[in-house]
This record gives sequence, C-alpha cells and structure tokens, in this order.
Amino acid sequence: RKEVEQDPGPFNVPEGATVAFNCTYSNSASQSFFWYRQDCRKEPKLLMSVYSSGNEDGRFTAQLNRASQYISLLIRDSKLSDSATYLCVVNLSPPGGGADGLTFGKGTHLIIQP
Amino acid sequence: NAGVTQTPKFQVLKTGQSMTLQCAQDMNHEYMSWYRQDPGMGLRLIHYSVGAGITDQGEVPNGYNVSRSTTEDFPLRLLSAAPSQTSVYFCASSYDVNTEAFFGQGTRLTVV
Repeated sequence: RKEVEQDPGPFNVPEGATVAFNCTYSNSASQSFFWYRQDCRKEPKLLMSVYSSGNEDGRFTAQLNRASQYISLLIRDSKLSDSATYLCVVNLSPPGGGADGLTFGKGTHLIIQP
Repeated sequence: NAGVTQTPKFQVLKTGQSMTLQCAQDMNHEYMSWYRQDPGMGLRLIHYSVGAGITDQGEVPNGYNVSRSTTEDFPLRLLSAAPSQTSVYFCASSYDVNTEAFFGQGTRLTVV
C-alpha cells in the first residue's frame, strides 16, 4: 500500500525556537520529495523540494534519508507566521511506473506561540 | 500571472444534482489532477491527466468524471451529488508527474 506518514501534531512551539518534523514513505524507489505549506482554508503551496544532498532555504532545512525512508523539515528561529500545516509529499510510483503523481501526507499542524 | 484557476469557490448542491467544477491553467502544463481534502484524511487523488485526451483514475474516482479536451482545461463532473461528496476540492497542474504541483484556490462543496 502506498503511504506517506506524518505526525499530525499539533506542535506548539514558542516563537524563536527550532522545530523539526519527520515524514516516512513506503516506496524505497521514490524519486521526488517535497514539503508543502497549507494555511487554514487555503490551497497547498510549495515550501521546498527535497534533494538527496539536502537543501536549505533561509531558516528552513530539508533532508532526505533514503536508507530509513524518511524526509525531514527543520525550522530555525520560528516566527508567528510559520504557523500552518506542513504537508510531506512524495511520488510513490516507481520510475517508469504509474503516473498517479504525488502522494500527500495528512500534514503536521504547527502553532507558533508568542 | 493566473496560474491555476478554479471555479466556483463555493457551492451548495442538493443530493442528486449534478455539476461541473472548472479548472484552467495557463502554464502549458501537461499534467493535471483533482484532489479532495477532508478533515483527518489529507489530500486524496480523484482523477488525473497526463495530457490532452488522456485521463485516468486516482484513489477515489467513484461518482466523478473528468475530460481533457485541451491542455489548459480539466473539468471535474459530479454526476449525482451525495452528502459523502461534501469536501474541499483542489485542482493542480505540474510540468510532469514528478515536479512541483501548483494548486487552484479550491472549491468548498456542500451536498445537502
């Protein structure tokens, strides 16, 4: 069964703290990994892609661990505006296999408290 | 720069009615998809299309039809609405199946 699993939270974190989420996926052959952000009653938007070598964008760092089949998102110096739901997204179809696209985790709810 | 445009934003239907959710993108993306999002269930794929004239079923296709007559448009039809189809619907497009998906603003549908 195709699965992307996340801790739903909520994570209640004080402003300025560092917070990290993990997400596990079921297909070891997956090639595409993303973190999306979704604000309440809004559409999901890409936060960052996750590359094999890891990548950083300002206060956000994403890592991929293929051996253990998980990706992670680290947010440093958290801001009130970081409050949102963070969706882990993986293409679980094997390369050259099905075209049913990206599978979304159910999301991790983050609340940054002043 | 419109991106992905979905209409309507809100809709209330009576059980048994039919309707079409419209989706259009102006990024010349080949891949388009429809998702529904329900509390505690996350985003679930309804139907997808890898190009004009080609559509296929996703995880939860029952009760929905799609067509892709042009690259730009990918409408979703509810044939006979049921209360179980009360949900938020998102259309998305991407360059291909493995790349970033761009979402429309969503349609909040209530079936009474």
